[in-house]
This record gives sequence, C-alpha cells and structure tokens, in this order.
Amino acid sequence: GENVEQHPSTLSVQEGDSAVIKCTYSDSASNYFPWYKQELGKRPQLIIDIRSNVGEKKDQRIAVTLNKTAKHFSLHITETQPEDSAVYFCAASINNRGAAGNKLTFGGGTRVLVKP
Amino acid sequence: GAVVSQHPSRVICKSGTSVKIECRSLDFQATTMFWYRQFPKQSLMLMATSNEGSKATYEQGVEKDKFLINHASLTLSTLTVTSAHPEDSSFYICSARDVHRGHTDEQYFGPGTRLTVT
Repeated sequence: GENVEQHPSTLSVQEGDSAVIKCTYSDSASNYFPWYKQELGKRPQLIIDIRSNVGEKKDQRIAVTLNKTAKHFSLHITETQPEDSAVYFCAASINNRGAAGNKLTFGGGTRVLVKP
Repeated sequence: GAVVSQHPSRVICKSGTSVKIECRSLDFQATTMFWYRQFPKQSLMLMATSNEGSKATYEQGVEKDKFLINHASLTLSTLTVTSAHPEDSSFYICSARDVHRGHTDEQYFGPGTRLTVT
C-alpha cells in the first residue's frame, strides 16, 4: 500500500519568514495530494491540494509543488504569522472521478511554531 | 463545502463497556465514509472504509470484531467500540467525499470524537 513520509516533524520559524514542509510517497498511481492544518482537538482542515496533472498551485501565502518523477511534494508558507502555528499533514490518494472510495494515506505531521 | 457531523463530541466510558459513535453527512449522500483514529501527537490512521449497504473494509491490524461499523443509510455510518479498554482511548474522526459536488476530490472531515476509557 501507499506510504507517505513527512519532514520535518517540528519546525520553528520567525514571524515573516517562510516555512517549507516536504513529503514523499511510494505509490506512483497516487494522483491527489492534499495538505491539512489541524489545531489541537479539532478536525483537519484542507488548506490546499494538488492533482498529479499539475506541477504547482498557489493560494495567497500558501503554495504546493509536486514532482511526480521523484514522488515528492512540498508545502510552502510565505510571510508566516503566529496564527499559522498548528500541525500540518500531507496526504496522498488515488482518486477516481465519481468514485467515493478513495482512501487517504497521511504523513506523520509537522508541528509548526511561528514565533512573534 | 459539504458538512459532516459526529456525535458525541466526547465520551467517557468504563473499561469493558461499548461505545457507539455516529458520523453523518448533513447535506450530501455518502456511499462511502472513512473512519480514522488519532492518538495524541500522532497522525491520522485509517481504520476502515464504511460502505453503504455492504460490509466495511478494515485496514490491516484493525480488529473488525472490536470495531463494528454499520453504514445503514446514505447519510449515516456508526462505529461501535466493543469491550473498550484504556488503550482504545483516542480521537476518532470520520470523513466522506461528495462525489456529486462538481467532481471535487476533497474529503470532508467530521469534528471528531474524543473517547476516554477509564
């Protein structure tokens, strides 16, 4: 089955600096790669996602890049703010259009602390 | 986006008893729902895939007789933790995709249920 590894496990940055989290996956058939932000005791919230037919996607201060050949994808947060402090998870799945049974495999998570 | 609810949000039970957790899709039909378990400071681990009208598919290492899943309607899946023990204490989260909503890939997560077994 799919295996997703995520690094680093913890990341401390100064407010205003950038944060980068990297993930690798094992199954070349995976085609959907979401990133989630989870605050303590809450549900994971989707912050950005990318499909395998796209190499990069950006949404304001957040961007994701995908390298299918190397089977890795990264999350980039620019101009970090204290409210960006949370645990971030990457995930991968094989999503077929119209099919609901596409399970997500999560990375181990990165605890991000943005220091004011 | 689509909304998924869970009930209860937190439950405390005694060792040896059973606990039922409900997962509902409020504004869409979900033929498939997923159940995850998350221990403190760890990632989400998929336990099983719940299929409406058929048996659930369990991940390797998850005891199907201990974690009973019933997906009796297109909007409701239940997870029953039978004969709960302290090591079952965890955060249980469900999710589902709305495959009819513009071909979105997004999975919608419930708010989670904090189970504490004493």
